[in-house]
Amino acid sequence: DTAVSQTPKYLVTQMGNDKSIKCEQNLGHDTMYWYKQDSKKFLKIMFSYNNKELIINETVPNRFSPKSPDKAHLNLHINSLELGDSAVYFCASSQGSPWASYEQYFGPGTRLTVT
Amino acid sequence: ELKVEQNPLFLSMQEGKNYTIYCNYSTTSDRLYWYRQDPGKSLESLFVLLSNGAVKQEGRLMASLDTKARLSTLHITAAVHDLSATYFCAVGNFGNEKLTFGTGTRLTIIP
Repeated sequence: DTAVSQTPKYLVTQMGNDKSIKCEQNLGHDTMYWYKQDSKKFLKIMFSYNNKELIINETVPNRFSPKSPDKAHLNLHINSLELGDSAVYFCASSQGSPWASYEQYFGPGTRLTVT
Repeated sequence: ELKVEQNPLFLSMQEGKNYTIYCNYSTTSDRLYWYRQDPGKSLESLFVLLSNGAVKQEGRLMASLDTKARLSTLHITAAVHDLSATYFCAVGNFGNEKLTFGTGTRLTIIP
């Protein structure tokens, strides 16, 4: 059973296009995240949702819009793709509560290449 | 703003040797994590450290946390080739679920 899954695994597209990445978790967690890992392997959080509510919104261009239809799903839509958007995007989830470890479980990643 | 520094960034070591990766962070935190990432793969959770003095061990890896020094270490004992990977520490921001990741340490074990 895949705990956190993402589709697609690879995405190659041209500048200016709009694309979406989907994420689903079957761990029963109530918090989900999107991270961007650049070519130097630096990992930075972009967004986080808790029970469909946006709780973390880092300095990310408005072209990126997350959507969480329910607590098991978090999608990322990117408008007007730019060369600098090329990266690996990871989805993650965690169980949040005052006594939880908040340990995050990561999906397999989506490698986005913008040409 | 929380900053997390790891060193070294790159580490090449011979099989059978011991070494330590360091993770320093800039502000108070109540939790620290270590992850492993193999090339082209996802991040795998190794350790969760939730209190000062916490020490956890799994096989040849041992992680510790000193919250007063704002320092965590990942110690590798008698390294084997299978441990070659990039290791990240991540620090929890106090009071919320956000994690700030270190720069990663790319470890290469040479036979």
